Amino acid sequence: GAVVSQHPSRVICKSGTSVKIECRSLDFQATTMFWYRQFPKQSLMLMATSNEGSKATYEQGVEKDKFLINHASLTLSTLTVTSAHPEDSSFYICSAETSTDYGYTFGSGTRLTVV
Amino acid sequence: AQTVTQSQPEMSVQEAETVTLSCTYDTSESDYYLFWYKQPPSRQMILVIRQEAYKQQNATENRFSVNFQKAAKSFSLKISDSQLGDAAMYFCAYRSVGANSKLTFGKGITLSVRP
Repeated sequence: GAVVSQHPSRVICKSGTSVKIECRSLDFQATTMFWYRQFPKQSLMLMATSNEGSKATYEQGVEKDKFLINHASLTLSTLTVTSAHPEDSSFYICSAETSTDYGYTFGSGTRLTVV
Repeated sequence: AQTVTQSQPEMSVQEAETVTLSCTYDTSESDYYLFWYKQPPSRQMILVIRQEAYKQQNATENRFSVNFQKAAKSFSLKISDSQLGDAAMYFCAYRSVGANSKLTFGKGITLSVRP
């Protein structure tokens, strides 16, 4: 089946530094990637939608200068958290539409801790 | 805009028993897709079952089935013969027809299974 590989699974960074999260579609082309943020025991909150070769569309209230999204190819989308602060600590998940079931395949998520 | 409501934050079921998770949604669209996703402690999102709105027949996947009531905008998930591995957060989700439409999630419900 369709697989989205997300790395790293866990990352700890110092406050003020930047962290990059990668999502790769392994056996299909993902023209669109969705990026979510999830707090413990809460639902997934859509942050932005990235489209290959064009600028990402951010949801209201999401700082586009803090959460930089790049979708340079049909198989790779990246989320960079810039100048990270402790309040950015969260679980980040990507997903892409699969063509077979009208649903989405999700990456395994990245737990970001900013200290 | 579409909304998805899961009003029960937690439920518990005895192993081997049946449990039903509720979901309602609001939309002005006539055609759409509905999903139930499972998120176990690993936090990997797993598709449980999907339903196309134009299909009157309720979807079934092994021990999982749905009760889709389009007029009432209700989409409940029934888990039969509950197993310990069913313990997880379950999210109801909606998407519009059309390529790369985003998923709208409910708040989720935490299901525990008692041995």
